[in-house]
Amino acid sequence: ETGVTQSPTHLIKTRGQQVTLRCSSQSGHNTVSWYQQALGQGPQFIFQYYREEENGRGNFPPRFSGLQFPNYSSELNVNALELDDSALYLCASSLGTSGYPSYNEQFFGPGTRLTVL
Amino acid sequence: QKEVEQNSGPLSVPEGAIASLNCTYSDRGSQSFFWYRQYSGKSPELIMSIYSNGDKEDGRFTAQLNKASQYVSLLIRDSQPSDSATYLCVPGGSYIPTFGRGTSLIVHP
Repeated sequence: ETGVTQSPTHLIKTRGQQVTLRCSSQSGHNTVSWYQQALGQGPQFIFQYYREEENGRGNFPPRFSGLQFPNYSSELNVNALELDDSALYLCASSLGTSGYPSYNEQFFGPGTRLTVL
Repeated sequence: QKEVEQNSGPLSVPEGAIASLNCTYSDRGSQSFFWYRQYSGKSPELIMSIYSNGDKEDGRFTAQLNKASQYVSLLIRDSQPSDSATYLCVPGGSYIPTFGRGTSLIVHP
């Protein structure tokens, strides 16, 4: 069984740039959730994708967008980067059913550390 | 969003002792809870799931859910220095999960 993987591990960008982060879900999982974790804080939910559709969204602006592919891997895109976007970005995969948001057992990838200068 | 309350700690226990981590919640509709462990600089790791009232044991870990009193707890028996981490209590279901800052546990030799 393959676990959740994320790339890249670390990334440095400058303010105003755009970034794409990638996530491969655990084998057999069809749902991917993305989280932002600032230093000293708990993970903050960005959005969830189930079978290629956005299935729930947290309190993040539209410049945070995502995609899920037929193989259930996912991308998180952030446009017009701001200094406050510096954080650890976490992807979590889970097994969802029936198209309803599912926030049960989630398995996290190692994260991508984004630094915005 | 479902809200939970956890003492941020740090909770300090000696090696070999029982560490007791607690979490209270306000939504009586919450049916399931999950405990994640997060080491500094690492991602959260699911360690326990509990779906029904009562206790669930897995090795040195016991999760307890008391729906009448609206609290969830995690007991770690025979605590080891490697258990030193932040523990996050998260409700499940179909609502956006709220991860608080969790409880920092320090197990000292």
